[in-house]
Amino acid sequence: TQLLEQSPQFLSIQEGENLTVYCNSSSVFSSLQWYRQEPGEGPVLLVTVVTGGEVKKLKRLTFQFGDARKDSSLHITAAQPGDTGLYLCAGAPSGNTPLVFGKGTRLSVIA
Amino acid sequence: KAGVTQTPRYLIKTRGQQVTLSCSPISGHRSVSWYQQTPGQGLQFLFEYFSETQRNKGNFPGRFSGRQFSNSRSEMNVSTLELGDSALYLCASKDQSSAETQYFGPGTRLLVL
Repeated sequence: TQLLEQSPQFLSIQEGENLTVYCNSSSVFSSLQWYRQEPGEGPVLLVTVVTGGEVKKLKRLTFQFGDARKDSSLHITAAQPGDTGLYLCAGAPSGNTPLVFGKGTRLSVIA
Repeated sequence: KAGVTQTPRYLIKTRGQQVTLSCSPISGHRSVSWYQQTPGQGLQFLFEYFSETQRNKGNFPGRFSGRQFSNSRSEMNVSTLELGDSALYLCASKDQSSAETQYFGPGTRLLVL
């Protein structure tokens, strides 16, 4: 069974600080996705990375896929209270096999 | 386009009862997946339906079942409810032409007493 380990589990920071969330596995994934989930809602897709070494930017968020396609990171610059939520990574093993989700990082940004 | 909708949003049941949850995918999406989300286990895959056929199944007991109708709407059923079935049940749909991008509904929060 392929597993995705996310760290840290919980993160509480002040507005304006930078942070990085990690998603690691011993398995290779054909692609990796990052979601954000707010209380009472379903996860919302932020980005999909498919190429080893790929870097994607979404405003203050930077996503990186590891060269070996086994790990990924999410870096947030100058965090804002609106960034608060549960960040989930999900890996696609191959083809039409189901996504494997990490347990998430719960981020709280304090004004 | 309207997003994925799930009904009901909240549900309280007692042990031994059964429950049926409903999911309407985004118009045109033919694939519907179901997930169980709990604080301890995170998001776990239950099953996926495509064109009324179950295409993938997760590692859950037979008490968990589902089906998909010709209009792509899907239902999942849990029989003989246990306390541990309390969770947020999420449905996600995707357009087969972009197989890895799926869109989640808001979920149904089930509490088993």
